[in-house]
Amino acid sequence: AQSVSQHNHHVILSEAASLELGCNYSYGGTVNLFWYVQYPGQHLQLLLKYFSGDPLVKGIKGFEAEFIKSKFSFNLRKPSVQWSDTAEYFCALLGDTGNQFYFGTGTSLTVIP
Amino acid sequence: DTGVSQNPRHKITKRGQNVTFRCDPISEHNRLYWYRQTLGQGPEFLTYFQNEAQLEKSRLLSDRFSAERPKGSFSTLEIQRTEQGDSAMYLCASSDSQRNEQYFGPGTRLTVT
Repeated sequence: AQSVSQHNHHVILSEAASLELGCNYSYGGTVNLFWYVQYPGQHLQLLLKYFSGDPLVKGIKGFEAEFIKSKFSFNLRKPSVQWSDTAEYFCALLGDTGNQFYFGTGTSLTVIP
Repeated sequence: DTGVSQNPRHKITKRGQNVTFRCDPISEHNRLYWYRQTLGQGPEFLTYFQNEAQLEKSRLLSDRFSAERPKGSFSTLEIQRTEQGDSAMYLCASSDSQRNEQYFGPGTRLTVT
């Protein structure tokens, strides 16, 4: 069975601090991995995705994520956060049918100006 | 705006009543998904359509829930005999066959009193 774990439920950072949000998945086959962001009052938006190839993927707004197969991880990083990055971040795994996303419980990020 | 739209945005209903939500996907997308999200959780998959065919349903989808996509365009999700436990945000997403990127709508927040 597929599942996604996000262990950081709530993260508080000051502006310009570096960010790393953890995401671990459980699945034995080929994986497609995603990070979505939900800004306050807005809908889920795709930040970045990994399908294959270079395990370091870059997304919008300066975010990047690294797929480490041996660790079953897909952590999200940003070298310097801004107040506008305050949002809920969700890691997701595309299941083996290719139709069903499995989401983690999300990490709430608060950036203090 | 050519994104995914959902109506209504908010619905308050009394226990035992039936409710219906509508989702209009991005026009060129042939795949449509419904998810449910409760507070502090990530979205949970409910069901999936490719064109007008409902190809996958989650075990979460009890027999009180029914979804349709009659012409392969918009979709409706109906909940019969609502229960307080049905209170949640109901999300719709769409994608095309070539790219496994789901684009989410703003959701319909259901409150059952």
